[in-house]
Amino acid sequence: SQTIHQWPATLVQPVGSPLSLECTVEGTSNPNLYWYRQAAGRGLQLLFYSVGIGQISSEVPQNLSASRPQDRQFILSSKKLLLSDSGFYLCAWRVLSSYNEQFFGPGTRLTVL
Amino acid sequence: SQQGEEDPQALSIQEGENATMNCSYKTSINNLQWYRQNSGRGLVHLILIRSNEREKHSGRLRVTLDTSKKSSSLLITASRAADTASYFCATDGSGGSYIPTFGRGTSLIVHP
Repeated sequence: SQTIHQWPATLVQPVGSPLSLECTVEGTSNPNLYWYRQAAGRGLQLLFYSVGIGQISSEVPQNLSASRPQDRQFILSSKKLLLSDSGFYLCAWRVLSSYNEQFFGPGTRLTVL
Repeated sequence: SQQGEEDPQALSIQEGENATMNCSYKTSINNLQWYRQNSGRGLVHLILIRSNEREKHSGRLRVTLDTSKKSSSLLITASRAADTASYFCATDGSGGSYIPTFGRGTSLIVHP
């Protein structure tokens, strides 16, 4: 069966520090991968999505970037964190099929101080 | 703007009662998904309903879709305290981009 991993689960970083969040998927091939951010009590904002290795689409201009170095690995990065980067970051995957369900990882809680 | 919008924003009921949440959207869709999110956790996929389907069931969950009204509802029957969570709908546009758009969610509290 498929599983999705995200780490770390929680992270506290000072303003101006770099960021690297990793997401990996097991048990599937060539998934679409997504990074979302969720502010407290709010819905999900799509940040990036990828349909294949090295293919990244950005939905919102911001202080973040994403990379997909391997088929089942998706990385969210920043060179210098801002206070506004605080939030709950969720990785998701889906394989295009007859039902196209999208599944989420457990999330990373990022606090920028 | 958000494609899917849940209604109500918050719902408080007693254990054993039914909970109904609604989702409205603006443009034509390929499918619609419902998710549950417990506080501080990831989203759990509940049900996907295709645009050519009108109703789906999964255990105590019942989802309906009315494409003429551009709306969907999620019914949880015989609710339990463990159903306390936020519920989100997400829609895939008919353009084939496979980028779901999420609403802001309904916060459900089930009192024991």
